[in-house]
Amino acid sequence: AQSVTQLGSHVSVSEGALVLLRCNYSSSVPPYLFWYVQYPNQGLQLLLKYTTGATLVKGINGFEAEFKKSETSFHLTKPSAHMSDAAEYFCAVTPSGNTGKLIFGQGTTLQVKP
Amino acid sequence: KAGVTQTPRYLIKTRGQQVTLSCSPISGHRSVSWYQQTPGQGLQFLFEYFSETQRNKGNFPGRFSGRQFSNSRSEMNVSTLELGDSALYLCASSSNPGVSSGNTIYFGEGSWLTVV
Repeated sequence: AQSVTQLGSHVSVSEGALVLLRCNYSSSVPPYLFWYVQYPNQGLQLLLKYTTGATLVKGINGFEAEFKKSETSFHLTKPSAHMSDAAEYFCAVTPSGNTGKLIFGQGTTLQVKP
Repeated sequence: KAGVTQTPRYLIKTRGQQVTLSCSPISGHRSVSWYQQTPGQGLQFLFEYFSETQRNKGNFPGRFSGRQFSNSRSEMNVSTLELGDSALYLCASSSNPGVSSGNTIYFGEGSWLTVV
C-alpha cells in the first residue's frame, strides 16, 4: 500500500533562508507525487507535481522538488523564504495514473520568522 | 473561470442529525473527489466520482455516501452524525479521472462541519 511520511510537523526558518520540507513515500508502483499548500481557512493549492519525465519539478512561487527514486523521496525546496510562504504543506502520492485518489502525508507547518 | 465551489462553507449540526454538502466543480471538469480533514487523522480520501459513477471509495463507514449528477455537480451525505465527524470536508475536481501532466486536481475551500 502507498503511504507518505513528512519528516517534521513544524519547520521554522528565517526570512530569506532556504526552505526544505521533507517527504518520503512508499509505493509498489511508479508513483505520481504532489505538493499542496494550505493557507489558514482555505483549501489546498497545488504547488507542483511529478508524473513522468524530468525528476526536478518546478512549481509556483519559486518552489521546486526533486523525485529521487533510489531514496523514495520528493523533498520540497525554495532558495529564499518569504513571509507569505508561512502555511501548511502537504505531500501526496497517488497509486496509479488512472485514479484521482490522493494519499496525503500529515503535513508540515512552515513558520517564517522576520 | 470560477474554481471549485463548495456550499455551505460553515455549518453546525447536532449528534444524530444528517448533513448534505454540495460541490460544483470547475466548468468542464467531470471528475470529483471528496476528502475529510481533521487535526488527528489529517487528509483522508472519501470518494471519487466520474460520469455519475463512483470509481473509488475510502475506508469510511456506510454513514458516508455521495453522488454525482449529470452536470458533474456532486453531493456528499453523512447520516447519524457523530462528534468525530467534525471536520473540514474538501471537494476536488479535475477534467478527467486520474493524474497526468495535463490533468490537474483542484481543491475547493471546503465545508467546515461542527457536530455538537
